[in-house]
Formats: sequence, structure tokens, C-alpha cells
Amino acid sequence: DGGITQSPKYLFRKEGQNVTLSCEQNLNHDAMYWYRQDPGQGLRLIYYSQIVNDFQKGDIAEGYSVSREKKESFPLTVTSAQKNPTAFYLCASSINAGQETQYFGPGTRLLVL
Amino acid sequence: AQSVTQLDSHVSVSEGTPVLLRCNYSSSYSPSLFWYVQHPNKGLQLLLKYTSAATLVKGINGFEAEFKKSETSFHLTKPSAHMSDAAEYFCVVRYTGFQKLVFGTGTRLLVSP
Repeated sequence: DGGITQSPKYLFRKEGQNVTLSCEQNLNHDAMYWYRQDPGQGLRLIYYSQIVNDFQKGDIAEGYSVSREKKESFPLTVTSAQKNPTAFYLCASSINAGQETQYFGPGTRLLVL
Repeated sequence: AQSVTQLDSHVSVSEGTPVLLRCNYSSSYSPSLFWYVQHPNKGLQLLLKYTSAATLVKGINGFEAEFKKSETSFHLTKPSAHMSDAAEYFCVVRYTGFQKLVFGTGTRLLVSP
């Protein structure tokens, strides 16, 4: 099956801890995206990558970091600098950055202990 | 600034009655418009998209939307609601020349028996 997978489904973070959320796609898409979703709000873009070894900050990049070493993978690290990390995190991909249709993974819910 | 407004945070209907979810966008540039649906704790699924072809767009699960430039609207409709339609719906805009998507704050559709 082709698609986007995110793991884990739920993730717990302790104070001062960095955690990494996984996003993998086998759609052969060049572009990948990370969004944050909070209750009652739309999705907000954290980072995006148009191609391997390249990525750009989105609207709320502070406290987050990413890497894009492989086309299929775009992991997101939530650092200790992110003071309010509790949210639902969604990964998406598109054929390329010029393609408007984005396909979403099932999401990871991050909770702070 | 580019923006999209979903006029209702919640819409309640009875099963078998029509559904109307309203969306307006800012008119600075020619947009591409999307509706996505999100079931609880799931990723977003594309319902339909408008990209300057026919103004009436048909999507999956019996949904359709009409692009009205004069009203800067892209309302989502369905003739007869089903219990499985209960979910959150997001209106999304992408403006020509911009790579990023702009998300509305979502409308939660409640369907009662």
C-alpha cells in the first residue's frame, strides 16, 4: 500500500527532553511538510522540504528542527525550547512543491508529562 | 494577507437532511481551493479541490462545492447527511505564486439520528 506513515501514534515528553516524531512516505513525493494542530485552530506549518537535503521554516518553526536525508523520510524533533509542545502533529507530502494537493499521514499526538 | 474564514465552528444536522458548510477567502489573488475532512484522531483526507476549471466541483462521498468569485466563497454541500459524515471539515486555500496552504479553523459537523 502506498501512503504516509507516522509513528508513534502517541508520544509523551518529559520536561527538558527532546523527542522525535517519525514520518515516512512511499509515494515517491519530493515535497514533505510538518503541521501542528491545536483544538479549535486550523493547521499551522512548522517546516517544509521541497527536496532531499533542503528544508525551510514555516510559520511556527521556533523550538522545532527537521532533517531530510532521504526522500522517504522527514523526521521532526520537538526540542526543549518548545515550551508548549502538547498538540496533534501531522505530516504531509506532495508530488513536488508546485503541486497543490497534499496527502496527510494519520498524525502523532504529543503530550507532556 | 491571505486568509480563509469558516463561518461556523459547529453545524448540527439530522441524518437525511442537507449539509451546508460555509467558507470565504480573501480575494487578493486567484486561488486554488480545497475541502479536507478529518475524523477524530486521524489525518486529513481530501474531499475535493477547485483549480480554475468548472466552478461546481464534485468530490467523494457525495459532497460538492461551488466556487463563486463574486462572493469569494467556496461552500461545501451534500444533499443528504449520513451518520458517517460526522467529522471536522477544513477549507483550505492556496494562492497563485505561494507555495503554502492556508487553513481555515475548521467546522465540526454533528449528525443526529
